[in-house]
Amino acid sequence: EAEVAQSPRYKITEKSQAVAFWCDPISGHATLYWYRQILGQGPELLVQFQDESVVDDSQLPKDRFSAERLKGVDSTLKIQPAELGDSAMYLCASSFILGSTDTQYFGPGTRLTVL
Amino acid sequence: AQSVAQPEDQVNVAEGNPLTVKCTYSVSGNPYLFWYVQYPNRGLQFLLKYITGDNLVKGSYGFEAEFNKSQTSFHLKKPSALVSDSALYFCAVRDNSGNTPLVFGKGTRLSVIA
Repeated sequence: EAEVAQSPRYKITEKSQAVAFWCDPISGHATLYWYRQILGQGPELLVQFQDESVVDDSQLPKDRFSAERLKGVDSTLKIQPAELGDSAMYLCASSFILGSTDTQYFGPGTRLTVL
Repeated sequence: AQSVAQPEDQVNVAEGNPLTVKCTYSVSGNPYLFWYVQYPNRGLQFLLKYITGDNLVKGSYGFEAEFNKSQTSFHLKKPSALVSDSALYFCAVRDNSGNTPLVFGKGTRLSVIA
């Protein structure tokens, strides 16, 4: 069964450093999402791509976060500089089409700890 | 704005007994409802969804959920719980008015005791 791949699985960094997370969606999925999940809460959408274009980044803290999906396949989420409050699980998801009814499939996540 | 409430942080049930995990929602249009399960240090796994049609939706691993429009609820159920069902369960909703984000509840931790 095809899965969403993410790396690294765990990342520990010091505040003010830069970090990057990578996601490879299920083959053929045009829509890709990045979520942040703080401990004890549900995931919250950071950014959504349709192919290589950003569809929604209204919740992305653009002063320190950036995301790209240059060729419309895999994607990178970057934080620079990292802050203590960024410690969370970062989840990537993909879906076949852009649409309210389509199921999103999640990767295993990257757990970020900022010291 | 759409929202989801999972009123129970924790649900405990004995193995073999039926389980229910509650979810209520609020949307401006018609809801599309989803249930996901999360095991420790893992991503979310899709269980089932309601889009339209029959109010009783069957999903993976023997789970089912009932859509109740009048009560704005979408409770997750299973007739006979297994210890391996112990995990964190999330309800999520989007409405049908365009490309709105999927909004998740805070999650309910299910503990099945042998």
